[in-house]
Amino acid sequence: GESVGLHLPTLSVQEGDNSIINCAYSNSASDYFIWYKQESGKGPQFIIDIRSNMDKRQGQRVTVLLNKTVKHLSLQIAATQPGDSAVYFCAETEVSGGSYIPTFGRGTSLIVHP
Amino acid sequence: NAGVMQNPRHLVRRRGQEARLRCSPMKGHSHVYWYRQLPEEGLKFMVYLQKENIIDESGMPKERFSAEFPKEGPSILRIQQVVRGDSAAYFCASSPPPGTSNYGYTFGSGTRLTVV
Repeated sequence: GESVGLHLPTLSVQEGDNSIINCAYSNSASDYFIWYKQESGKGPQFIIDIRSNMDKRQGQRVTVLLNKTVKHLSLQIAATQPGDSAVYFCAETEVSGGSYIPTFGRGTSLIVHP
Repeated sequence: NAGVMQNPRHLVRRRGQEARLRCSPMKGHSHVYWYRQLPEEGLKFMVYLQKENIIDESGMPKERFSAEFPKEGPSILRIQQVVRGDSAAYFCASSPPPGTSNYGYTFGSGTRLTVV
């Protein structure tokens, strides 16, 4: 399944499927990006980050892709599990410009059906 | 190594009262960020502080809101004369000093403020 951020804030997938969550960021000078997972009633939890000198980074079951040309970020979750159900946020920061303040997108709600 | 600690977890205030939200950063982190989150929305930046210094408060409302991060003790977000529109979840994040190898923003569990 695939979401397009602001226009499709909810993504429903079946357990075991791969999920793709998209994010369009706004600042072309942003050089550090982070994906967070937020479960109901909890604070955002770091998933994975990527710097602008990379276009792909892999973690455990997650991959982040960065396309600076179109200012697009995606989070891929392999073999999605019910425990992955949460709201996912991307955040951008312009650290080279001296701003260390992450700016968050609206978020995408991921619902995993067993 | 405890994470970012926020308290209280839930806070109920009547209109016109003051709300004080506390945040203790992770050990070794000297920078604190406060965010506000309304239901089904993203996190909106409020203020960025280091010890005894406000670095960026561009997201803070001009009136009633203030923040501090003293040399000793937690960072405090203070809301005076609360109104119903202040009801939200307030999150604090901390990070190591900028320029270190890992920016490592870590969030607390938040304080849910309800104004009645």
